[in-house]
Amino acid sequence: AQRVTQPEKLLSVFKGAPVELKCNYSYSGSPELFWYVQYSRQRLQLLLRHISRESIKGFTADLNKGETSFHLKKPFAQEEDSAMYYCALSEVGNQAGTALIFGKGTTLSVSS
Amino acid sequence: EAQVTQNPRYLITVTGKKLTVTCSQNMNHEYMSWYRQDPGLGLRQIYYSMNVEVTDKGDVPEGYKVSRKEKRNFPLILESPSPNQTSLYFCASSSSGGHYGYTFGSGTRLTVV
Repeated sequence: AQRVTQPEKLLSVFKGAPVELKCNYSYSGSPELFWYVQYSRQRLQLLLRHISRESIKGFTADLNKGETSFHLKKPFAQEEDSAMYYCALSEVGNQAGTALIFGKGTTLSVSS
Repeated sequence: EAQVTQNPRYLITVTGKKLTVTCSQNMNHEYMSWYRQDPGLGLRQIYYSMNVEVTDKGDVPEGYKVSRKEKRNFPLILESPSPNQTSLYFCASSSSGGHYGYTFGSGTRLTVV
């Protein structure tokens, strides 16, 4: 069964420290992986897609098929990065409208 | 501006009183979906729709109905709300089944007393 696991409910770091938000997935096919961010009282916003291999707001994420992971990283955290982060998985090439499967989310708290 | 619009943003209702949460998108997306967000449980899909008149159940469909009579609208209907449906609800839309990411609405916070 498809599954996305985010092992940490809460990650607290100091401003300027490196950040790694973990995401592991379970899927037999060829998935697409995403990171979404939800700032306080706001809607979810797409942060990254693995397929685009881009860096957004200093965040990067690399898909590691061997370890079935898609960890989100940033070398120097900023206070404005404090938010809830969701890892999500979608099946490639599925025309049946499969769900975007979300992990349970990790709250990132950056303090000065 | 490309967006997904949900109404209302906040709703308090009583058990058993039918309600509808509306969702509309202006991006001509084929795919629309409803999620509920609960503390510790993350986002769980309620229903989704691939296109007009095509809907299917997600992970937690019990107690909900949807319809897709027009491409832009995807209302969520609670025929007889119960307190366990108190939650934050998000509507989302996408082209191509989500491969390019979803656009989410601002959310509807529903309280059933």
